[in-house]
Amino acid sequence: GQSLEQPSEVTAVEGAIVQINCTYQTSGFYGLSWYQQHDGGAPTFLSYNGLDGLEETGRFSSFLSRSDSYGYLLLQELQMKDSASYFCAAPTGGGNKLTFGTGTQLKVEL
Amino acid sequence: GAVVSQHPSWVICKSGTSVKIECRSLDFQATTMFWYRQFPKQSLMLMATSNEGSKATYEQGVEKDKFLINHASLTLSTLTVTSAHPEDSSFYICSARDDRANYGYTFGSGTRLTVV
Repeated sequence: GQSLEQPSEVTAVEGAIVQINCTYQTSGFYGLSWYQQHDGGAPTFLSYNGLDGLEETGRFSSFLSRSDSYGYLLLQELQMKDSASYFCAAPTGGGNKLTFGTGTQLKVEL
Repeated sequence: GAVVSQHPSWVICKSGTSVKIECRSLDFQATTMFWYRQFPKQSLMLMATSNEGSKATYEQGVEKDKFLINHASLTLSTLTVTSAHPEDSSFYICSARDDRANYGYTFGSGTRLTVV
């Protein structure tokens, strides 16, 4: 089956850097995406990795290692508004449907 | 960018009644839409894939007779929760893939269903 595992919770202070890991097991690989979701809201797209390496988008970066079936989301210069749930996600079922990871709740403290 | 509109944003219904949730792609055509369910503090779980003009494909363990999906046009998919029970109370989210984007899945704003 498909599985994407993440730590359940991460806490960091404002201004710090935090890394959220994702290890996956999927049949077929079509890339790894990251989404942010605030309480009661819809997931919003953050980043995508189709190939190994680092993708940078402002304060957010995402890394992928296909040989290790592993990726991470890096958030820099943390702000209070970054407190949210973060999900890795991968297309499965032949690349058509999106399966989400277990999710990580990030708490940013003063 | 691609926009998906979902409504209602919240609904309260009595046990035994049915509730319909709509999901529309506003500026693109979506031959495929997806329906997710999310319980508090949990991840999004895919319920079914909605295919325009054909039957939906349900994930294992999802009752197709309880969660009726209709995708009658390229811009509209509906999810009807039939004979709702309190355990169906959840956050339901639809998604569509904009084929113009390489990897973009756009999500609706979600529907909070409470069955009393």
